[in-house]
Amino acid sequence: DAGVIQSPRHEVTEMGQEVTLRCKPISGHNSLFWYRQTMMRGLELLIYFNNNVPIDDSGMPEDRFSAKMPNASFSTLKIQPSEPRDSAVYFCASSTRSQETQYFGPGTRLLVL
Amino acid sequence: QQPVQSPQAVILREGEDAVINCSSSKALYSVHWYRQKHGEAPVFLMILLKGGEQKGHEKISASFNEKKQQSSLYLTASQLSYSGTYFCGTERGGGSEKLVFGKGTKLTVNP
Repeated sequence: DAGVIQSPRHEVTEMGQEVTLRCKPISGHNSLFWYRQTMMRGLELLIYFNNNVPIDDSGMPEDRFSAKMPNASFSTLKIQPSEPRDSAVYFCASSTRSQETQYFGPGTRLLVL
Repeated sequence: QQPVQSPQAVILREGEDAVINCSSSKALYSVHWYRQKHGEAPVFLMILLKGGEQKGHEKISASFNEKKQQSSLYLTASQLSYSGTYFCGTERGGGSEKLVFGKGTKLTVNP
C-alpha cells in the first residue's frame, strides 16, 4: 500500500489567498484525521471523520477553516482566507477504527506570507 | 486536556537508557506512542490500553498505569536511530477516537 498520500507537499501563498490541502487515506481505513503542527502548539487535532462523516471538529480554529470528505478515498482541508499565523505543517492520518494505529501522511508545509 | 510529557529533552550517549513520561489529569482509555524524526511524519510505536499492560518493541517498551493516569516509555541501550521527538497521544474513550498529543520529548543520541 502507498500509505497516506497528501498534496501538495509544500505550499507558499500570500495572505488572503485560498489554500486547499488534499489527502488520500489508506484504502480500507474508515477514520481520517487532520492535524496541524507548529513549534508553539505542537500537534493539534483539527477534525476527524468516521465513515466520511465529520465526528469532532472542535479543533478547527475558526470559520476560515473547513474540511470535507466526499468519499472514502479523499478529503480536503480548506483555508479561506489564509493568514500568516496559519503557517504550519498539516498532517493527515488514517486508521481502521477506534483504538487502532493512526498512519500519518508526509504532511503539507504551508507558508503564508 | 493535553497530556504533560517529561522531560522536554534528553541527550544520551549510544548505549545509555532513557525514560520518557506522559501524565494526564483525566482518566484514560489508552495511550499511543509515536516517534517523529526531523522533517518527517510521526511514526507509530505502540498502543497501551487500560489494564496496566506493558508492551515492548525491540529495545523500546512502555507501561501504562491507569490509576495514576500515566504512561512511561523505556528506551534501553539506545541507538543512534532512536534520535527524534517522542509524542504520547492519549485517548479518553467513551466512543471517541480523538487523540490528544503531548508537546513531545526530544531525544538526541550521540555516538
